[in-house]
Amino acid sequence: GAVVSQHPSWVICKSGTSVKIECRSLDFQATTMFWYRQFPKQSLMLMATSNEGSKATYEQGVEKDKFLINHASLTLSTLTVTSAHPEDSSFYICSASSSGGSYGYTFGSGTRLTVV
Amino acid sequence: GQQVMQIPQYQHVQEGEDFTTYCNSSTTLSNIQWYKQRPGGHPVFLIQLVKSGEVKKQKRLTFQFGEAKKNSSLHITATQTTDVGTYFCAGSGGSNYKLTFGKGTLLTVNP
Repeated sequence: GAVVSQHPSWVICKSGTSVKIECRSLDFQATTMFWYRQFPKQSLMLMATSNEGSKATYEQGVEKDKFLINHASLTLSTLTVTSAHPEDSSFYICSASSSGGSYGYTFGSGTRLTVV
Repeated sequence: GQQVMQIPQYQHVQEGEDFTTYCNSSTTLSNIQWYKQRPGGHPVFLIQLVKSGEVKKQKRLTFQFGEAKKNSSLHITATQTTDVGTYFCAGSGGSNYKLTFGKGTLLTVNP
């Protein structure tokens, strides 16, 4: 089945630094990937749609200059949290589909970011 | 924008009891998907419903999509401790494949 690998699983960084999170589709090509943010015991909030070879589409209220998304290949999308602050601490998770969503989406294992 | 409401937020049952979670969308959906997220884990796809009035079963799980394609439900018969987790519905309103997730229902099962 479709496998999505996300790295790192957890990261602790200092305020003001940047953190890069990788999302890879291991056994399929993904022209589109999605990035979500999930607060403890809450739902998944879509942050942006990552499009291979073009600019990401951000949801309303998400700062594109703070959450940089790059989808340079059909199997890799990256999310960079720039100048991180404690309020950016959260669980970030990506998803992709090998079927354009027809058979559901495969989620990465998520990245727990803690900014201190 | 599209909103998906899901109730209840929490449900605690005794093992063997049934469980149901409900989703309601503010707009007509092209399809609805259900996911399960175990504590500390990531969402795992369970099923997708596309047709009006569609009913699908997976062992003890029964999924329904309303006639108007605006609501859906997940019913678990005779819950087991392995059913513990948060169940999310997620609706898609068009061809851009974007999903809007409900808030989820956290199911806990007392053995």
